Amino acid sequence: AQSVTQLDSHVSVSEGTPVLLRCNYSSSYSPSLFWYVQHPNKGLQLLLKYTSAATLVKGINGFEAEFKKSETSFHLTKPSAHMSDAAEYFCVVSTGGSYIPTFGRGTSLIVHP
Amino acid sequence: NAGVTQTPKFQVLKTGQSMTLQCAQDMNHEYMSWYRQDPGMGLRLIHYSVGAGITDQGEVPNGYNVSRSTTEDFPLRLLSAAPSQTSVYFCASSYSLGQSNYGYTFGSGTRLTVV
Repeated sequence: AQSVTQLDSHVSVSEGTPVLLRCNYSSSYSPSLFWYVQHPNKGLQLLLKYTSAATLVKGINGFEAEFKKSETSFHLTKPSAHMSDAAEYFCVVSTGGSYIPTFGRGTSLIVHP
Repeated sequence: NAGVTQTPKFQVLKTGQSMTLQCAQDMNHEYMSWYRQDPGMGLRLIHYSVGAGITDQGEVPNGYNVSRSTTEDFPLRLLSAAPSQTSVYFCASSYSLGQSNYGYTFGSGTRLTVV
């Protein structure tokens, strides 16, 4: 069984300040973990993925995430928010080589000037 | 380098009408799936396929049919449209190697309104 919980439905930051989007997962076997971003009226774009290699994963647009097995977490961070980062972010888990992912409910990132 | 192509981008149907949402990928991915996205509900899996000739139901399959005759194509059929099927529909494809899934490529979506 697998599940994912995004701990915040909305996160509000000022431009230039750090971003933290939190994700906890549950998986009975080795998970593959992903973060996706969805800008308004757009499709989902892969930000980064963890597939049992390095625990600190770097993605596009300055985002990174750290896989912490002991905490079952995969939080997304960025040192300095930009206005263009305002979007919906989804944490996704799939177990082992399974094709069937489980999506979190999403976190809306709001960036204030 | 097209990725996943969905058509149409927008569609308005009358209750009771049927239609097919098209999805095609050119990456030779084994796995294809259909999701619907509704406000506050995240993405919910409708149907999926792990290869040509193999399909299965997801979380919300009622009112939808799929088939997978080729690796590239995975159409979604609405049999008799209902207002509850008003949503944004996404097609996605993926591949795995061993115990690792290498991520899902999404189409740009189809915004469907049933009146």
